[in-house]
Amino acid sequence: GQGVEQPDNLMSVEGTFARVNCTYSTSGFNGLSWYQQREGHAPVFLSYVVLDGLKDSGHFSTFLSRSNGYSYLLLTELQIKDSASYLCAVRDRNNNAGAKLTFGGGTRLTVRP
Amino acid sequence: DAGVTQTPRHEVAEKGQTIILKCEPVSGHNDLFWYRQTKIQGLELLSYFRSKSLMEDGGAFKDRFKAEMLNSSFSTLKIQPTEPKDSAVYLCASSPDWAYNYAEQFFGPGTRLTVL
Repeated sequence: GQGVEQPDNLMSVEGTFARVNCTYSTSGFNGLSWYQQREGHAPVFLSYVVLDGLKDSGHFSTFLSRSNGYSYLLLTELQIKDSASYLCAVRDRNNNAGAKLTFGGGTRLTVRP
Repeated sequence: DAGVTQTPRHEVAEKGQTIILKCEPVSGHNDLFWYRQTKIQGLELLSYFRSKSLMEDGGAFKDRFKAEMLNSSFSTLKIQPTEPKDSAVYLCASSPDWAYNYAEQFFGPGTRLTVL
């Protein structure tokens, strides 16, 4: 089975950075995705990682440590509009699970001036 | 290209009613998902179809929730009978083809259901 955990809330300051943490426990692992969800809107895909290490995608970067069951999403040069919920989702290795994702509860990031 | 579409956007039902939510996935996508989202429980998977075949029927949601996919471009989620605890946002998502390790799911705008 899958368990995906995220802190409920995170606050940071415009122009700085924020790190959104995600821990997971799985019977199998076939990748981890990050989604952004603004209030009243659907989740939007940000990133997918399957190999250990840091994946730099500019404004968003993601880190994965499979041995520790840990990932983070790093947002740099924060803007007010980055205020949103950030969802972590783990994909099962089980072939029958296919593309099925197990989502964490999401972290609500608030960026203040 | 059109994204995932869902109708209606809002639904208000009386307890005990039957409601049907509709979803059209992105054209050509093979995987379709129904989720329920609440502030307390977050995103919960209700059903998962791969090439129209039901791969997961949501365990605890089986008794009153039934998703169908009669063709590759249309899916429905029936809730029968509705209960106040079903009040939530119901999201439909599609994905091209898991076999190619494609990770992104494309979400529709959701249907906000309120059960009185």
